[in-house]
Amino acid sequence: EDQVTQSPEALRLQEGESSSLNCSYTVSGLRGLFWYRQDPGKGPEFLFTLYSAGEEKEKERLKATLTKKESFLHITAPKPEDSATYLCAVSNGATNKLIFGTGTLLAVQP
Amino acid sequence: KAGVTQTPRYLIKTRGQQVTLSCSPISGHRSVSWYQQTPGQGLQFLFEYFSETQRNKGNFPGRFSGRQFSNSRSEMNVSTLELGDSALYLCASSSGTGLTDTQYFGPGTRLTVL
Repeated sequence: EDQVTQSPEALRLQEGESSSLNCSYTVSGLRGLFWYRQDPGKGPEFLFTLYSAGEEKEKERLKATLTKKESFLHITAPKPEDSATYLCAVSNGATNKLIFGTGTLLAVQP
Repeated sequence: KAGVTQTPRYLIKTRGQQVTLSCSPISGHRSVSWYQQTPGQGLQFLFEYFSETQRNKGNFPGRFSGRQFSNSRSEMNVSTLELGDSALYLCASSSGTGLTDTQYFGPGTRLTVL
């Protein structure tokens, strides 16, 4: 069964303290891995799509990487406005259905 | 380009009632997917519509149904509401032309069942 596990469940950082979020997956034929950011009471906001092992993508203070078993979302010198829940999802390509992890709640303190 | 819109944003219903939620996708997108988000289960796939046809379905009871119109707008219906149906219902749109399309989410409809 396709499955996504994210860790840690919650992470508290000081402003400027870099860290990484983990997304490990088991999927029958990965077609795409997606990272989203979700603020309280809002819908998920798209960040990155990764398609194959070794691929990396960057956007401002965020960098996503992908291996054959997991993905990392690296946050460099975070700011309080980076506080949100970060969701990881995979597509196995058989359908357009996304399988989501339970997310990592990130809090960045000034 | 305007994003995905969902109406209403908030709903309060009582057990046994039925409810209809609406979703307008990004212009040009033909695929609309629906997800249920709860604190306990996270985001779970309900179904996907493409060109007015249900293309995929998740593991939800038949009380949950949907449809898509010729302009790609979609509606989701939940009949005989139960307390456990309280959740954030999210709609996502994509071009629908590939199996690795990025899905863009709307703001959601918060349903509370009393």
